[in-house]
Amino acid sequence: GAVVSQHPSRVICKSGTSVKIECRSLDFQATTMFWYRQFPKQSLMLMATSNEGSKATYEQGVEKDKFLINHASLTLSTLTVTSAHPEDSSFYICSARDLWRDYEQYFGPGTRLTVT
Amino acid sequence: AQSVAQPEDQVNVAEGNPLTVKCTYSVSGNPYLFWYVQYPNRGLQFLLKYITGDNLVKGSYGFEAEFNKSQTSFHLKKPSALVSDSALYFCAVRDQGDDMRFGAGTRLTVKP
Repeated sequence: GAVVSQHPSRVICKSGTSVKIECRSLDFQATTMFWYRQFPKQSLMLMATSNEGSKATYEQGVEKDKFLINHASLTLSTLTVTSAHPEDSSFYICSARDLWRDYEQYFGPGTRLTVT
Repeated sequence: AQSVAQPEDQVNVAEGNPLTVKCTYSVSGNPYLFWYVQYPNRGLQFLLKYITGDNLVKGSYGFEAEFNKSQTSFHLKKPSALVSDSALYFCAVRDQGDDMRFGAGTRLTVKP
């Protein structure tokens, strides 16, 4: 079956530093990848949508200079949280849409970011 | 734009009893509808989807859902709940060509 991996699964960083989260589709090609953010006991909030080779489309209220998204290939997207602050602490989940089965969308296991 | 509502924050059932987790949606076109389950500190696991065809969709772990166009609903059901079904359940909707949007989630607790 289709698998999406995320790395790291858990990261702790200090305020002011940057952290990169990788999202990979392991056995399929993803035309589109999505980044979600989830606060405790809340739903997933879409942050941005990225298409391979194009600039990401950010949802309203999401700072594109703070959350840098790169989708360099059909199997890899990265989210870089720049100049992290404690309020950026959250659970980040990526998702990928299958190139050949557009209605299928697969989710990674998530990355727990803690900014101290 | 599409949206989805899960009217219940919490659903409690006894083990062995049937369970229902409610979901209603709003889209401008024909919807793609999904149910996912999330365990603590984990990503989403796919349960089932409705794209087209038979209104009754069967999915993983004995779950099923019925697409009701007139009521714009897609309730998740299981005939006999297990304690291990206790988790957070998300309904999601996608208008064709659009992004997936999630409901607020429903926490299901199955008591022994």
